Amino acid sequence: SSELTQDPAVSVALGQTVRITCQGDSLRSYYASWYQQKPGQAPVLVIYGKNNRPSGIPDRFSGSSSGNTASLTITGAQAEDEADYYCNSRDSSGNLVVFGGGTKLTVL
Amino acid sequence: EVQLVESGGGLVQPGGSLRLSCAASGFTFSSYWMHWVRQAPGKGLVWVSRINSDGSSTSYADSVKGRFTISRDNAKNTLYLQMNSLRAEDTAVYYCARVPPAVPFDYWGQGTLVTVSS
Repeated sequence: SSELTQDPAVSVALGQTVRITCQGDSLRSYYASWYQQKPGQAPVLVIYGKNNRPSGIPDRFSGSSSGNTASLTITGAQAEDEADYYCNSRDSSGNLVVFGGGTKLTVL
Repeated sequence: EVQLVESGGGLVQPGGSLRLSCAASGFTFSSYWMHWVRQAPGKGLVWVSRINSDGSSTSYADSVKGRFTISRDNAKNTLYLQMNSLRAEDTAVYYCARVPPAVPFDYWGQGTLVTVSS
């Protein structure tokens, strides 16, 4: 079982705002990173660190953290944002890497 | 352009072995830590192993410790994953991924499928 917990599925109306969360004890000490994965494709990094976006990632993607919960927010969701989203950080020991179970985002 | 190209996947019987390769180009391979991440069909991402830039330090997920070995050849710009004593539950797409300093997995390969079945 993963040390990072995500809701299995979330939906959002086109153009609305959605927040995807990731919970885990290690998030009290380490930032989460977020990845978008579309069917048949490799994951793509969308948010890392406090709230950093790699080049090419739209600014509608943002990240935040509070206590043991990290959040990925999409402000004004687009049809192309429909995908699986995974959070990632270190495990509770700080030595190994863990991923959340993933959240399937549906844009209605 | 950064490229990571995995190869070596295929069908193998339970208890068998396989070696995956990840050919890197477009960046200074020897400066980066590298990781393997896998994804079983229809399932989520699972971290497998990592190696530091000069190959002197490695870590493994508990599920593969003692069976898998990560290594690299910086002269050939290639990352490897030797997988022994394979089990059905090792069936997955295996991705290699690059980790720059202070940034998580910023580039991923397209993956190679490993199927463990009799």
